Amino acid sequence: QVQLQESGPGLVKPSETLYLTCTVSGDSVTSDSYYWSWIRQPPGEGLEWIGYIFYNRKTDYNPSLESRVTISADASRNQFSLKLDSVTAADTAIYYCARDDVRRQVGFDNWGQGTLVTVSS
Amino acid sequence: DIQMTQSPSTLSASVGDRVTITCRASQSIGRWLAWYQQKPGKAPKFLIYQASNLESGIPRRFSGSGAGTEFTLTISSLQPDDFATYYCQQYESSFRTFGQGTKVEIK
Repeated sequence: QVQLQESGPGLVKPSETLYLTCTVSGDSVTSDSYYWSWIRQPPGEGLEWIGYIFYNRKTDYNPSLESRVTISADASRNQFSLKLDSVTAADTAIYYCARDDVRRQVGFDNWGQGTLVTVSS
Repeated sequence: DIQMTQSPSTLSASVGDRVTITCRASQSIGRWLAWYQQKPGKAPKFLIYQASNLESGIPRRFSGSGAGTEFTLTISSLQPDDFATYYCQQYESSFRTFGQGTKVEIK
C-alpha cells in the first residue's frame, strides 16, 4: 500500500525559497505508471495543481507558477521535491504531494496528509 | 486551461436525502473526470474516476455520471459521514484543474 509523506519548514520568509520533500513508500518514483505531483490549498480555499515529475524526469507545471517552480526527484531516497522561489503571502497554503495514476488513467488516487506552509516575516 | 465549475457551492441536506452535485467543464474532457471528498483538516479522498467508476472501498451510495462537459456526483442516501466538501477534477489535459468545491452541510 503506497504512502506519501510531506516534510519541510512550516514557516518561510517573504522573497525566500520554499522547499518541500515527499517521501514515497510502497511504490517507486521511478515507476512509469505515475506522475508524482504537488497540489496546494490556501486556508479555506480550493485545490490548485502545482505540477508533476515523471520517471523520465519530464516535468509539467501550472503556467501561473511555472516561472518560480521546480520539481525534482531522488530515486536513491525514493523522494520527490518541490522548490518554489520568491514566495509571498499568497503562497501560504497546505501543500500536498499526490500520486497521479496515468497507467489506470484515474486521477490522484493517493495523497499525503499535507503540510501547512506559512509565508511570513 | 480547462476551467471546472461546480454547482451549488453549498448544499444543505438531511441524513437520508438524495444529493446531486454538478460539475461543468469549459471544453470537452471526454470522461476524464475524478471526484474527491475532503473533510476539515484532512487530505482529499479519491472517490470516482473516469466519471463513473467507483474506487475500491467507496460505498455504493456514491455514483458519478456524465461525459463531455457536464458531470454529476450523486449520493443516493446521505449518511452522517458524508458531510464534507466535494471536488471534481479533470485530467484530460496535462494541466490538471479542480472545481471550486461543493460543501455539503447539515440542514
